[in-house]
Amino acid sequence: ETGVTQSPTHLIKTRGQQVTLRCSSQSGHNTVSWYQQALGQGPQFIFQYYREEENGRGNFPPRFSGLQFPNYSSELNVNALELDDSALYLCASTFQGAYGYTFGSGTRLTVV
Amino acid sequence: QKEVEQNSGPLSVPEGAIASLNCTYSDRGSQSFFWYRQYSGKSPELIMFIYSNGDKEDGRFTAQLNKASQYVSLLIRDSQPSDSATYLCAVTGGGGNKLTFGTGTQLKVEL
Repeated sequence: ETGVTQSPTHLIKTRGQQVTLRCSSQSGHNTVSWYQQALGQGPQFIFQYYREEENGRGNFPPRFSGLQFPNYSSELNVNALELDDSALYLCASTFQGAYGYTFGSGTRLTVV
Repeated sequence: QKEVEQNSGPLSVPEGAIASLNCTYSDRGSQSFFWYRQYSGKSPELIMFIYSNGDKEDGRFTAQLNKASQYVSLLIRDSQPSDSATYLCAVTGGGGNKLTFGTGTQLKVEL
């Protein structure tokens, strides 16, 4: 059983809408990252938070934003949804990058 | 040039054989190397990580790293049908702790 939980598991949104995805990190993990995985591709890095501060961002537009909370839970917010945002969104946590990242089960977002 | 490259496969091996999965990376500053297994519709699961040149063994899995050649591989001995999945190679370092993934290699273990 993974120590990282994500909600919801599936979501259908209409183009132009906004969505919030949630993640609860594994206990003791102070770093959380979000990834987007399109069908048939490897996960793509969106951004990373360490102690509630963003400390890395991939090649994603500003309409992708996030938050990390003191209890190590986090959110991914996407505004003005586009069809190409349809993907599996993965949250991953670690203790400062040591020993790899543990991934949550993901949220499957479909934009119609 | 992609930062992390893998052959997409599918790689088919008979049950009981050794499966060899390969990965190359472009950033010489890469420091840590990971292999994840991903079943269809599921999230990636960490199998192995390696930091130093050479081999690292864990049960039926062996990770091999050659930093001079910028090459990392995963060997799966005594392959089982349950090993059928997509194997993702990922690296970190050179720009923080973010994971940079390859596109994955699909492995099929046939009875």
